[in-house]
Amino acid sequence: KQEVTQIPAALSVPEGENLVLNCSFTDSAIYNLQWFRQDPGKGLTSLLLIQSSQREQTSGRLNASLDKSSGRSTLYIAASQPGDSATYLCAVMTTDSWGKLQFGAGTQVVVTP
Amino acid sequence: GAGVSQSPSNKVTEKGKDVELRCDPISGHTALYWYRQSLGQGLEFLIYFQGNSAPDKSGLPSDRFSAERTGGSVSTLTIQRTQQEDSAVYLCASSLAGAGETQYFGPGTRLLVL
Repeated sequence: KQEVTQIPAALSVPEGENLVLNCSFTDSAIYNLQWFRQDPGKGLTSLLLIQSSQREQTSGRLNASLDKSSGRSTLYIAASQPGDSATYLCAVMTTDSWGKLQFGAGTQVVVTP
Repeated sequence: GAGVSQSPSNKVTEKGKDVELRCDPISGHTALYWYRQSLGQGLEFLIYFQGNSAPDKSGLPSDRFSAERTGGSVSTLTIQRTQQEDSAVYLCASSLAGAGETQYFGPGTRLLVL
């Protein structure tokens, strides 16, 4: 059974620092991996989708890497801003669970001015 | 354009009552998903609809839960004889052509069972 872990559970950084968020998964037979952010009391906003054949995806200040063999993905957020404060979730879709995203518990990020 | 919408945004009900939660996916999206987010369990998959195919109901926690999707668009999640452990945020998502694509989530329905 796929298990998705996100460490740390919470992170606080001063504005301007780079953020590094980690996601690990136990079953490397994944179809894709998706990163989301969730603001308090809100739904999920998709940030990046990485297909299993890709090593990384970039969007603006965000960069996500994927290493299937080691079961890891890392989300980098450059030059953090207070508006980046949110909970970040990673989710994987394994090849035998088509359509079902399996989520980590998330990393709660606070960026202080 | 309009995103995924869900109604109601909040629902308070008494134990034993039935509730219906509605999801309007992004126009043109053929795949629709329901998830549940609770404090103890995190985010968990419930059900997945793809076009006219039979839905994948493998995540529904009990036979009190059911869902339908009419006309390949709007979906309703029904919980019969609600229990206190059903209290959670129910999230709906849709994707354009299939499950391998980006899933776009709605704001959720917050359900509280008293």
